[in-house]
This record gives sequence, structure tokens and C-alpha cells, in this order.
Amino acid sequence: KNEVEQSPQNLTAQEGEFITINCSYSVGISALHWLQQHPGGGIVSLFMLSSGKKKHGRLIATINIQEKHSSLHITASHPRDSAVYICAVSPNTGNQFYFGTGTSLTVIP
Amino acid sequence: EAQVTQNPRYLITVTGKKLTVTCSQNMNHEYMSWYRQDPGLGLRQIYYSMNVEVTDKGDVPEGYKVSRKEKRNFPLILESPSPNQTSLYFCASSPFAGGTQYFGPGTRLTVL
Repeated sequence: KNEVEQSPQNLTAQEGEFITINCSYSVGISALHWLQQHPGGGIVSLFMLSSGKKKHGRLIATINIQEKHSSLHITASHPRDSAVYICAVSPNTGNQFYFGTGTSLTVIP
Repeated sequence: EAQVTQNPRYLITVTGKKLTVTCSQNMNHEYMSWYRQDPGLGLRQIYYSMNVEVTDKGDVPEGYKVSRKEKRNFPLILESPSPNQTSLYFCASSPFAGGTQYFGPGTRLTVL
């Protein structure tokens, strides 16, 4: 069972490009989370969303609750953005987290 | 500094030898959780705890135990490790279930 699906699995971009990573989920949620994992393993939470849109620097996250879909956008991508981006959801029933398998992003100078 | 700490960071052990991975947070968070991360499968939840003495199974609890005797600590116990438990393990905490999670640095476990 895959409650959370991400696309694409892998993404290579030139520095400066606009990047979009997509996340679809199949359960009702209380919140959706975007995480970043750099090579070497550490995981950092980027956004927590329950509606609308959030922006932090060059990162923008949007969510459409009706369509059960979220996107993470990176504007003016930079090689330091190279990482795995993971989508996770908190279902509105129960207290677990469900994760997508991640999108591996490589930004080439 | 607000943080989640895990120990050890790396561990190589043999089948059947009991081990404990410690997790501690200094943010007074209610919710703590353990995950394992495997190539192609992503992060999967092992156990979580809503508060002291309140724990529940995640998606992959078999072969693991946890306890939450104090709010700050949430150790993961492998009573009889097997090679299929070789993985990268993360502990995380959040102020409440569903809230922003703060992850520990990870523990890379190899069971021979």
C-alpha cells in the first residue's frame, strides 16, 4: 500500500532552472510535510502545510486538499539544493506518518 | 541548542545479540517516533509515542520494542537482531502528533 506517491523519482537540472516536485496522497490528512535529506543522511523539515501555499526563500510549497496533491517548487535552483526531497502526510485518523519514497534532485553548475 | 540525539551513530553487530539505540530530545516534545530508511522503500514508521508511557505500533514494528519512561527519552530495543534489520534508523520528535518533526542524525545499523 502506498499512501503517498512522489514524482519524479530522479531529477537533474541546470543551475538556475525552476524545479517542481509532485506529491499525491490517498488518505485524508491533517497536514502534509516536505522534508529535505542531504547526502550524508540528515533530515530537515522544510514545510508543514494544511492548506494553500507557503514560501521560504526560494522554496514554495502548495497543497490542493480536494485533489490530494502537493507541489514543492524551487526557483533559481543552485547546486546546494541537490538533495532528496521527501513528502510525508499525517492522516486525520490515527497518529502515524506516511512517507513518499523521495525525489533525488541533482543541480548541475 | 534544540536537538534530537541518537547513539550510537554506527553499529555493527551479530545476529541475536540484543542492542539498544538511544534517542533523546531537549525540546519538551510530546510526540516521538522511530523510523527505518531502506533504499527504494523510503522512511517507514516503526513505533511512536504520544506521551510518557503511551506507545503504539507503526507500519513495521516486528522485531522491535520501545519504551517511554521519561518524556525526553525514547529508546529502540532489538531483542534478537536479524540481518533484515540492517538499515538506517532515525528518531524524531514533534510538539504534537502531526506537527513539524525534528530528526536525529541517524544510526546506521549492520547485523551480520
